[in-house]
Amino acid sequence: QVQLVQSGAEVKKPGASVKVSCKASGYPFTAYYIHWVRQVPGQGLEWMGWINPNSGGTEYAEKFQGSVTMTGDTSISTVYMDLSRLRSDDTAIYYCARGPNWGGFDIWGQGTVVTVSS
Amino acid sequence: EIVLTQSPGTLSLSPGDRVTLSCRASQSVGSRFLTWYQQKPGQAPRLLIYSTTNRATGIPDRFSGSGSGTDFTLTISRLEPEDFAVYYCQQYGGSPPYTFGQGTKLEIK
Repeated sequence: QVQLVQSGAEVKKPGASVKVSCKASGYPFTAYYIHWVRQVPGQGLEWMGWINPNSGGTEYAEKFQGSVTMTGDTSISTVYMDLSRLRSDDTAIYYCARGPNWGGFDIWGQGTVVTVSS
Repeated sequence: EIVLTQSPGTLSLSPGDRVTLSCRASQSVGSRFLTWYQQKPGQAPRLLIYSTTNRATGIPDRFSGSGSGTDFTLTISRLEPEDFAVYYCQQYGGSPPYTFGQGTKLEIK
C-alpha cells in the first residue's frame, strides 16, 4: 500500500524550530519528489517546497527561503521538513505529498498540526 | 508567481445537480500542469484531475476537467452526497511556486 505517514502534532513557542517527518512506503522512495504544503486553519493550501529524495536537491518557495530546510534519509525512506524561527502565523497543518512527474500530488500524508503559542 | 483565482467561493447545490467550477490563472499555464483536488473536513486533499483532463486513479467519471491557457474548469456531472467538499486548482509546472487557488466550497442547499 502506497502511503506517507507523518509524525505527530507539535506545540512550539515563538522563535523555536520544528521538525516534521514523512515516512514513505509501498513504492521506490527515490523515484518521486516529495513536496510540503501547509494549510492555516480554515484557509487554503500553500506550497512550501520540494525535495528530491534521490539527490537531496531542494527548491523552496521564496516566502520560506531562510526558514525551511528539507532533508531526506534514504535508509529509512523518510523526508524531513525543518521550520525555524517559528511565529504564531506558522500555526498550521503541514502535509507532505508525493509529486510524480506526470503532474499533481497523488499521495498525501495525513498532516501534522503545528501550533505556535507562547 | 502565477495567481489562480477560483470562482465562485461557495456554491449551494443539491444532490443530482450539475456544477462547473472555474479556475483562472494570471498568466498562461501549460495544460500538462493544471490539477484539481478535493478536500473534505479533517482530511488531506485528494488528487482528482491532473494535466487538465486526466482523472486520477479511482476517481469516478462524473468528474471531468477542461480548459487551456488561463481558463480551466472542473465539472461534476451529477452531484453525489460525498461530493460536497472544497475544491482547489493548482498549477504545477515551470518555475515555482506551485500555487493553489483559494478554493471553492460546495455545500448542500
